[in-house]
Amino acid sequence: SQTIHQWPATLVQPVGSPLSLECTVEGTSNPNLYWYRQAAGRGLQLLFYSVGIGQISSEVPQNLSASRPQDRQFILSSKKLLLSDSGFYLCAWSRVGNQPQHFGDGTRLSIL
Amino acid sequence: KQEVTQIPAALSVPEGENLVLNCSFTDSAIYNLQWFRQDPGKGLTSLLLIQSSQREQTSGRLNASLDKSSGRSTLYIAASQPGDSATYLCAVESGSQGNLIFGKGTKLSVKP
Repeated sequence: SQTIHQWPATLVQPVGSPLSLECTVEGTSNPNLYWYRQAAGRGLQLLFYSVGIGQISSEVPQNLSASRPQDRQFILSSKKLLLSDSGFYLCAWSRVGNQPQHFGDGTRLSIL
Repeated sequence: KQEVTQIPAALSVPEGENLVLNCSFTDSAIYNLQWFRQDPGKGLTSLLLIQSSQREQTSGRLNASLDKSSGRSTLYIAASQPGDSATYLCAVESGSQGNLIFGKGTKLSVKP
């Protein structure tokens, strides 16, 4: 069966510090991968998606970047965090072609 | 621009009651519609996916319907249980590959 792992579960960072969140998927190959953010009082928003190694698409302009160095690894990064980057970050995967997305347990990021 | 609305924002029912959660979307050009469940502080669990060509999907006590032309979907939960308490999210896939547009959810509380 397929599983998706995200870490860390919670993170507290000062403004201006760098960020690296990691997501890995097991039990499948060549998945589509996604990063979402859920901010307080707002719905889930797609930040990045990837259909293959090194292929990243961004849905919204922002202070964050994403990379996919391996087939089943997806990393969310920032060089300098802003207060507005606080939120609940969720990674998801799906098979190609109109398939359900499956989510990890998320990382709660607080910026001080 | 696709927008997804869920009504009501919160719902409290006694155990055993049948209930309906509503979802509406503004652009009928969708690939599919998905219903998710989110427990507090957790990631999302995929419940049902309805392809744009389908009218409904069933899983256990859950039944989801889709009326694409009117931009509506409902999630029917039969014989509700306290374990059904969670936030239920509706999302439509349209436009960019895998880009799910989410509603803000309905927070369901089932009282014993």
